[in-house]
Amino acid sequence: DAKTTQPNSMESNEEEPVHLPCNHSTISGTDYIHWYRQLPSQGPEYVIHGLTSNVNNRMASLAIAEDRKSSTLILHRATLRDAAVYYCIPGDMRFGAGTRLTVKP
Amino acid sequence: DSGVTQTPKHLITATGQRVTLRCSPRSGDLSVYWYQQSLDQGLQFLIQYYNGEERAKGNILERFSAQQFPDLHSELNLSSLELGDSALYFCASSVVASGGGKMVEQFFGPGTRLTVL
Repeated sequence: DAKTTQPNSMESNEEEPVHLPCNHSTISGTDYIHWYRQLPSQGPEYVIHGLTSNVNNRMASLAIAEDRKSSTLILHRATLRDAAVYYCIPGDMRFGAGTRLTVKP
Repeated sequence: DSGVTQTPKHLITATGQRVTLRCSPRSGDLSVYWYQQSLDQGLQFLIQYYNGEERAKGNILERFSAQQFPDLHSELNLSSLELGDSALYFCASSVVASGGGKMVEQFFGPGTRLTVL
């Protein structure tokens, strides 16, 4: 299983972009990179996933390094509702500790 | 609302007891997953079922067991409970099965909070 490294916590100001990094240097060639987030007192929710190319959806963008050993989740304009724990998951179902994002008004 | 329902919301019981947690997946979803979230261990994958069959196992203890019924609802049975089993237990569902390095989009329920005294 690929091991992941994410910062324990990050802070952002409202309406500013946020870049959440993740290192997954042991990822295998066929593992997708998934991001989920967990809002306070809720179950996790899907954010985005990708394999090699950068991906965009209505919630976020995912930038994947060319060697696939790292990725970055980009929230283009953070809102207070984006305050959550963000999990980077290479492969299957292995949630780590994630990054707790705090958004300041 | 994800469409996944879990009952009960809260459960308080004593050490040594046995409990059953229930999960109803979203309509049309064939795969069900169970996760445990505790303060010290984070979110841990326990087990996955697909259309009634066990598909993948994670860090599930031998004292724990699960099954998925023909109507696709699932139950997680926890026995010989210990203080350390106190946690939030989440169920998730997806249309197809995760696996092979791809974690298909999973929809999580609100969780069952288990407290073992």
